[in-house]
Amino acid sequence: KQEVTQIPAALSVPEGENLVLNCSFTDSAIYNLQWFRQDPGKGLTSLLLIQSSQREQTSGRLNASLDKSSGRSTLYIAASQPGDSATYLCAVKAAGNKLTFGGGTRVLVKP
Amino acid sequence: DVKVTQSSRYLVKRTGEKVFLECVQDMDHENMFWYRQDPGLGLRLIYFSYDVKMKEKGDIPEGYSVSREKKERFSLILESASTNQTSMYLCASSPPGQGSFRSSYEQYFGPGTRLTVT
Repeated sequence: KQEVTQIPAALSVPEGENLVLNCSFTDSAIYNLQWFRQDPGKGLTSLLLIQSSQREQTSGRLNASLDKSSGRSTLYIAASQPGDSATYLCAVKAAGNKLTFGGGTRVLVKP
Repeated sequence: DVKVTQSSRYLVKRTGEKVFLECVQDMDHENMFWYRQDPGLGLRLIYFSYDVKMKEKGDIPEGYSVSREKKERFSLILESASTNQTSMYLCASSPPGQGSFRSSYEQYFGPGTRLTVT
């Protein structure tokens, strides 16, 4: 059974510092990995999708890498801003069209 | 932009009531999903549907049923609400992909419904 882990569960950084968020998964037979952002009490906003054949994806200040063989993905957010404060979730898609989610990392960027 | 809407942001129901949660997407997506999100347990898949009138159980279907009569609408039904069904419910949709890209598309989420059962 696929298990997805995100460590740490919470992170606090000063504004301007780069953020590094980790995601690990136990079964490397995935189709893709998706990173989401969730603000308190709100739904999920998709940030980046990495196909299993890709090693990274970039969108603005966000860069996500994928190492399928070691079961890891990292989300980098450059030059963090207070508006980046949110919970970040990763999810992997395997056979059966289902997503398996990690527990999330709650990020606080202090001005 | 893909838009997924849910009928209510907040809902309070009594134990034993029948509860309907509605989800509508406007992008003609074949796949639709219902999740619940609880502190410490993360997001868990309740049911999903890959076509009209088709449904499949997710990881925690007990106590729930679903209905997909039209492509754009996917309803989650709590036949007899219980306090342990108090949770945040999230709906999502995605296109099906084709062939080897069947699972390559991302899921788009609605804003969520915070359900409290008293």
